[in-house]
Amino acid sequence: GPKVLQIPSHQIIDMGQMVTLNCDPVSNHLYFYWYKQILGQQMEFLVNFYNGKVMEKSKLFKDQFSVERPDGSYFTLKIQPTALEDSAVYFCASSAGTDNQAPLFGEGTRLSVL
Amino acid sequence: GDSVTQTEGLVTLTEGLPVMLNCTYQTIYSNAFLFWYVHYLNESPWLLLRSSTDNKRTEHQGFHATLHKSSSSFHLQKSSAQLSDSALYYCALSDRGSALGRLHFGAGTQLIVIP
Repeated sequence: GPKVLQIPSHQIIDMGQMVTLNCDPVSNHLYFYWYKQILGQQMEFLVNFYNGKVMEKSKLFKDQFSVERPDGSYFTLKIQPTALEDSAVYFCASSAGTDNQAPLFGEGTRLSVL
Repeated sequence: GDSVTQTEGLVTLTEGLPVMLNCTYQTIYSNAFLFWYVHYLNESPWLLLRSSTDNKRTEHQGFHATLHKSSSSFHLQKSSAQLSDSALYYCALSDRGSALGRLHFGAGTQLIVIP
């Protein structure tokens, strides 16, 4: 079936560096999401994105975070600069946008900030 | 704001016994969409069930759940647990009554099925 792919599966970087997490959503999907899960805690919404714009973001979506999907390519989450508390698994999700359809999730990217 | 509560962090069952994982929610919106996701380690969380209309049961892969707006619940059930059911189960509520909005996840229930 259709899948959301996330690249890389694991990223290790030094605090203060920039990181870009890549998501390849399902091809006909229109809505895109990022969620963050700190180890041992629940998954929490960061941002959703539609038609080239951020629709909604949570208070976890700090000023150092940005998202884009240039020319229908990867949907990316960029963190610049990174902080220790950014260490988490980041899940990308996409949805076709019909009203009762739940988003399809990727496997997540584990980000370790040292 | 909207929220989801899963009261059990860990449920351990013997194979063949019935499964019931609790999920209650809070929302001010009358149109609530609830979901159950299953998450196996190192895989994507995938959708197991979504809610239908009030008091209507939905079923998939032997699991079922009924949305009860009167009690704000969407408990997950299965008549007979299998070893392969061992996984982390998340209940999620769609924000503001629309499936397009953010999902509010519960803390998750780890189900372990033993022989």
